Amino acid sequence: ETGVTQSPTHLIKTRGQQVTLRCSSQSGHNTVSWYQQALGQGPQFIFQYYREEENGRGNFPPRFSGLQFPNYSSELNVNALELDDSALYLCASSLGAGTGGYEQYFGPGTRLTVT
Amino acid sequence: AQSVSQHNHHVILSEAASLELGCNYSYGGTVNLFWYVQYPGQHLQLLLKYFSGDPLVKGIKGFEAEFIKSKFSFNLRKPSVQWSDTAEYFCAAHNNAGNMLTFGGGTRLMVKP
Repeated sequence: ETGVTQSPTHLIKTRGQQVTLRCSSQSGHNTVSWYQQALGQGPQFIFQYYREEENGRGNFPPRFSGLQFPNYSSELNVNALELDDSALYLCASSLGAGTGGYEQYFGPGTRLTVT
Repeated sequence: AQSVSQHNHHVILSEAASLELGCNYSYGGTVNLFWYVQYPGQHLQLLLKYFSGDPLVKGIKGFEAEFIKSKFSFNLRKPSVQWSDTAEYFCAAHNNAGNMLTFGGGTRLMVKP
């Protein structure tokens, strides 16, 4: 069973640029959630995708957008990068979404540095 | 809005000492609770979870947590820590819709050999 994978591992971008981060969900999982973890803080929920549709969003501006593909892999796009976007971006997949309380399995993250 | 707070930011223990990490959540509805661990250089891993039933839940590596609804708490415990338990520990709660995990700020545990 393959776990959650993310690419790239590290990324350095300049303020104002755009970035795309990728995530492959664990086999059999149809739900992907994205989190931002700033240094010294806990992860913060960005949004979730369930069966290719956005299924909830945290307190992040519209320049954070996402996509989920038919194979349930996902992308996180961030436009007009700001210095404060520097963080570890985590992807988590789960068997489903909703009040069942599905356990989320995390990938290793992508470390984004904005200069 | 849902929130999770962890009161201990840094904890230093000697091996064989007992551990208790505090976690409180503020949420009025049905809540699912989790403890995750992040070992140095590794990704977040689930230690244990509470959905319903017995409020004392046992997880991996000898960890356990107790859900006390009246105190809105879900404290993590281990009777005897090992050097290999050095890591950062995160408490998290699921909202009613089950689509958002809210994390606490984390507790960095260092166990001295």
